[in-house]
Amino acid sequence: GENVEQHPSTLSVQEGDSAVIKCTYSDSASNYFPWYKQELGKGPQLIIDIRSNVGEKKDQRIAVTLNKTAKHFSLHITETQPEDSAVYFCAALKGGTYKYIFGTGTRLKVLA
Amino acid sequence: EADIYQTPRYLVIGTGKKITLECSQTMGHDKMYWYQQDPGMELHLIHYSYGVNSTEKGDLSSESTVSRIRTEHFPLTLESARPSHTSQYLCASTGYEGYTFGSGTRLTVV
Repeated sequence: GENVEQHPSTLSVQEGDSAVIKCTYSDSASNYFPWYKQELGKGPQLIIDIRSNVGEKKDQRIAVTLNKTAKHFSLHITETQPEDSAVYFCAALKGGTYKYIFGTGTRLKVLA
Repeated sequence: EADIYQTPRYLVIGTGKKITLECSQTMGHDKMYWYQQDPGMELHLIHYSYGVNSTEKGDLSSESTVSRIRTEHFPLTLESARPSHTSQYLCASTGYEGYTFGSGTRLTVV
């Protein structure tokens, strides 16, 4: 079946450095890719998304890139801050449905 | 401010009890979902609904049941709770793009 692979599972960076999380999807019919941030004790929150007709999207310190040919998409966080510490999930909208396939999550720790 | 509400936030209950986890959204979304999140973080779809009187089982088999009598309300019920049901349960809804998640219910069955 369709799946989304996410790497790394844990990531530690120094405050101010950049963080990159990578995902690979298998469903060639997927055309929408959201990213979620889950803080401790809360539900995941949508932070950025990208559609398959766009290669890159940026919102302040976060950006997402998509390579549809390779079925890769990545989250980039620049100038990381301690409040960026959380679990991040990538997702792909399953083609022809309203269901999302989630990656397995990345626990990001920003060290002050 | 949350537009999707889950209650209770935390629940500790004895084995064999019947429980209902509540989920309500104020956004008028037709599509609603229940996910189970294990300690390893992964999200597993257990139920979803695309509208009133429409419910489907998700990818992960679950002994829970759901109902969708009103657009805004999507409760999840366990008829007889067991320790294996201990988990975090997340409700979500969607309009056109992405999910809006509730804060979750952390269920512990002792």
